[in-house]
Amino acid sequence: SQTIHQWPATLVQPVGSPLSLECTVEGTSNPNLYWYRQAAGRGLQLLFYSVGIGQISSEVPQNLSASRPQDRQFILSSKKLLLSDSGFYLCAWSSAARAQYFGPGTRLTVL
Amino acid sequence: EDQVTQSPEALRLQEGESSSLNCSYTVSGLRGLFWYRQDPGKGPEFLFTLYSAGEEKEKERLKATLTKKESFLHITAPKPEDSATYLCAVQGAGEKLTFGTGTRLTIIP
Repeated sequence: SQTIHQWPATLVQPVGSPLSLECTVEGTSNPNLYWYRQAAGRGLQLLFYSVGIGQISSEVPQNLSASRPQDRQFILSSKKLLLSDSGFYLCAWSSAARAQYFGPGTRLTVL
Repeated sequence: EDQVTQSPEALRLQEGESSSLNCSYTVSGLRGLFWYRQDPGKGPEFLFTLYSAGEEKEKERLKATLTKKESFLHITAPKPEDSATYLCAVQGAGEKLTFGTGTRLTIIP
């Protein structure tokens, strides 16, 4: 069966510091991978998605970037965090079945 | 642009009191409509995919239905453990899912 991991689970960072969130998927090959952000009381906002190694599509211009160095690894990064980057970050994967399966999430607080 | 509107925003029911959640959508070329359950502080959990009008899916006390403009999530005789936020999403021509803001369901014992 497939499993998706995210870490860390929670993170508190000062404004201006760098960020690296990691997501890995087990039990499947060549998945589509996604990064979402969920703000309190709001819907899921798609940030990036990837259909293959090194292939990244950005949905929203912002302070963040994504990379996919390996088939089942997806990384979300920032060089300098802003207060507005606070939120709940979710990684998801999908295959030809099209449903997206989400990880446990990372709660990021920027102070 | 694809759009999803969920109603009501919040719903409180007594245990055993059946009801329905609504998901209205506009999309160019529906490839799938998805229902998820999300508990506080956790990632959404996949429930159902519906592909065409008239389709129905069931899982325990939940039943999802689809028309050309909306989907309903029917909850029959709910229990307190059914309390969660229920999210609806649609997929159009691309890889992107468009999500609604969800219905927060509370089942009172």
